[in-house]
Amino acid sequence: GENVEQHPSTLSVQEGDSAVIKCTYSDSASNYFPWYKQELGKRPQLIIDIRSNVGEKKDQRIAVTLNKTAKHFSLHITETQPEDSAVYFCAARSPKAAGNKLTFGGGTRVLVKP
Amino acid sequence: SAVISQKPSRDICQRGTSLTIQCQVDSQVTMMFWYRQQPGQSLTLIATANQGSEATYESGFVIDKFPISRPNLTFSTLTVSNMSPEDSSIYLCSVGGVSSYNEQFFGPGTRLTVL
Repeated sequence: GENVEQHPSTLSVQEGDSAVIKCTYSDSASNYFPWYKQELGKRPQLIIDIRSNVGEKKDQRIAVTLNKTAKHFSLHITETQPEDSAVYFCAARSPKAAGNKLTFGGGTRVLVKP
Repeated sequence: SAVISQKPSRDICQRGTSLTIQCQVDSQVTMMFWYRQQPGQSLTLIATANQGSEATYESGFVIDKFPISRPNLTFSTLTVSNMSPEDSSIYLCSVGGVSSYNEQFFGPGTRLTVL
């Protein structure tokens, strides 16, 4: 089945700097890659996603890039703010996966220092 | 996106007892999932709740321990049976569609502590 690895596990950045989180996946058939943000004590919230027919997608200060050949995708947060502090999870879904399930990475704890 | 609610939001239970968690969605959804999230960890899929049939369990999870019901397209329950302290975790329901491109959303979670 699909396997998703996420790096780094923790990331500390200065306010205003950029943050980059990287994920690799194993199933070349995977075609949907969402990113979730989970603040302390809250539910995971979908912040951006990308399909396999797109190489990059942006939404204000966040962007996701996908390299299908290398089987990796990344989340980029620019001009980080304290409210960006949270745990971020990447995920991948393959149309071959039974039950349309997502496979999650291990998470990245991002701390934005004011 | 669908509005998802869970009950209870938290509970403290004694070992050996069972707890049933409810998940209610404000619109009909095709796919409903139950996840477990242990402290500081990622999201682990327990099972997919199938409407009108038995749930599909992931490796390491069994029906006797985590019985699931899904009587219709807006509601599901997860029971954690014969609890032990190792079952202390956050349990989340999640909803989505049948297409591999469909977005998936999470409920607020149920924080369970087993003493």
